[in-house]
Amino acid sequence: QQQVKQSPQSLIVQKGGISIINCAYENTAFDYFPWYQQFPGKGPALLIAIRPDVSEKKEGRFTISFNKSAKQFSLHIMDSQPGDSATYFCAASKSGGAQKLVFGQGTRLTINP
Amino acid sequence: DTGVSQNPRHKITKRGQNVTFRCDPISEHNRLYWYRQTLGQGPEFLTYFQNEAQLEKSRLLSDRFSAERPKGSFSTLEIQRTEQGDSAMYLCASSPGSSNQPQHFGDGTRLSIL
Repeated sequence: QQQVKQSPQSLIVQKGGISIINCAYENTAFDYFPWYQQFPGKGPALLIAIRPDVSEKKEGRFTISFNKSAKQFSLHIMDSQPGDSATYFCAASKSGGAQKLVFGQGTRLTINP
Repeated sequence: DTGVSQNPRHKITKRGQNVTFRCDPISEHNRLYWYRQTLGQGPEFLTYFQNEAQLEKSRLLSDRFSAERPKGSFSTLEIQRTEQGDSAMYLCASSPGSSNQPQHFGDGTRLSIL
């Protein structure tokens, strides 16, 4: 069962543009939603995370928008740069127990110079 | 560097052999996780330790897989009688003990089965 669905699979954006990646989840018990950035040959690195008590969180050029009623959240990358070219994963977990992360399928982002 | 460290980075072995991977978590992180990532997919949870206790295992973790975390510090993941389908990146992550704290990942061990 796919608990976190991510789209698009791949995305090409011009330098300076806005990159938008979307995720939808099924389990209403999820209460922590991080985004990870992964470069080839490296492990995922935490970018930004949100909890459902807020609808938006911004850190530098990265913003998470969260819609609890729709069970959706998205990552916006403002002023996208070639160095942002990577694979991005959304994830979700719930409090208590293992707090294991359930990941989306990933989005391969390419920023053209 | 005080991040999560994984060794070896790459492992190539013949089908049927046993392999063991090591993970050194961030110091004082008492939660430790193993995930598996196949090409083009997101990581999938395998198992979780709270200190030295293995508290949860995924159905993905067949009886050929075993993980340990002696003394609640480093962890090892062993795969016995490797199969072609075991080829993947094996990732380790650690986090502090508080609720929903960020999980920090190592750079993984890439396993290739010949």
